[in-house]
Amino acid sequence: GAGVSQTPSNKVTEKGKYVELRCDPISGHTALYWYRQSLGQGPEFLIYFQGTGAADDSGLPNDRFFAVRPEGSVSTLKIQRTERGDSAVYLCASSLGRGPDTQYFGPGTRLTVL
Amino acid sequence: AQSVTQLDSHVSVSEGTPVLLRCNYSSSYSPSLFWYVQHPNKGLQLLLKYTSAATLVKGINGFEAEFKKSETSFHLTKPSAHMSDAAEYFCVVSFTGGGNKLTFGTGTQLKVEL
Repeated sequence: GAGVSQTPSNKVTEKGKYVELRCDPISGHTALYWYRQSLGQGPEFLIYFQGTGAADDSGLPNDRFFAVRPEGSVSTLKIQRTERGDSAVYLCASSLGRGPDTQYFGPGTRLTVL
Repeated sequence: AQSVTQLDSHVSVSEGTPVLLRCNYSSSYSPSLFWYVQHPNKGLQLLLKYTSAATLVKGINGFEAEFKKSETSFHLTKPSAHMSDAAEYFCVVSFTGGGNKLTFGTGTQLKVEL
């Protein structure tokens, strides 16, 4: 079956611009997670959705970052006024949303802010 | 708070020899522990997970890990390395009360030589 997909695979933007990153989870998965992986580091948690609501957004670094999941499926991570330090691979994962179940990761979106 | 420490950033082994990747964790609650593998330009893949059942966990591709509460360790092993095992390996912790968000270690790069 189809896995988690993310678009675009690569995004290059200029400092100060707005970007949107999209995640399509596995069908039927109620939980959706966003992580950010900087070069040479492990992924860091950003935000977690259970259904349509953000159950935990404690990992969002500041108010330039925002994410939505209006229909409980596709999610969009939005970054305003991008900075060079936002350059990273943004990973999306989904799971069934029951207990410590397995999170399945997408291939990521590589964001480069010039 | 929860965290994981991967004791080696790089490990190099010869093909056919055993693999040992070390991980220590810290968690205030009963943790779930995972090992994920990341091949170059590919998404994160789950190798195995511990969720309070058997302490010796078997995963894919011949890998296994043992949960040792007294040592707060969850080391990953494989009896015989294969060239295809060369990748980055992440030790990961979560706990159910934390919404299952994953906390990753900094990763261990495994190199397999002929």
